[in-house]
Amino acid sequence: AQKVTQAQTEISVVEKEDVTLDCVYETRDTTYYLFWYKQPPSGELVFLIRRNSFDEQNEISGRYSWNFQKSTSSFNFTITASQVVDSAVYFCALSYGGSQGNLIFGKGTKLSVKP
Amino acid sequence: DGGITQSPKYLFRKEGQNVTLSCEQNLNHDAMYWYRQDPGQGLRLIYYSQIVNDFQKGDIAEGYSVSREKKESFPLTVTSAQKNPTAFYLCASSDGSYNEQFFGPGTRLTVL
Repeated sequence: AQKVTQAQTEISVVEKEDVTLDCVYETRDTTYYLFWYKQPPSGELVFLIRRNSFDEQNEISGRYSWNFQKSTSSFNFTITASQVVDSAVYFCALSYGGSQGNLIFGKGTKLSVKP
Repeated sequence: DGGITQSPKYLFRKEGQNVTLSCEQNLNHDAMYWYRQDPGQGLRLIYYSQIVNDFQKGDIAEGYSVSREKKESFPLTVTSAQKNPTAFYLCASSDGSYNEQFFGPGTRLTVL
């Protein structure tokens, strides 16, 4: 069965610190996609990244970077030089159901960045 | 502007009443989804629809119903059979398999 585990429930850092959010997944599918979403206090989920199971290249987008390792079934997310605006709940998600495009979400990690 | 709208933002309901949450998208997406989010929890799938006039149950469909009469609309009815309906409800849409889902702003339902 598919499963996404975000072991860190809450993280608190001081502005400008680097922080890594962990995501471990389980799936029997050979083709799957992994996602990260940000949920600010307003509630709406904002898409950050999608990664397919055949592409293990790390990705960097500004202060955000993602490390995908199939060997450890992990898809970790790092924010460099964190800012107060990064405070939010971050969700990792895994596709399942083949081409139906359904997602299973982890329980989320609440990140608080203090000035 | 393209996007997903949900209304109302806040909704209060008395026990025993049915209530319908609206979800509209103008992204021309085929697939639409309804999720429920409880405090400290991830999102759980209630119903989804891949095409007009067709929909499937998700993991927690009991006590909920949906319709998909138009491509842009996917309303969710929370019935009196739903034993614990107080939650945050999120609607999403997607333009194809494996593609990212785009989310609406959500509706916070409180049962009094």
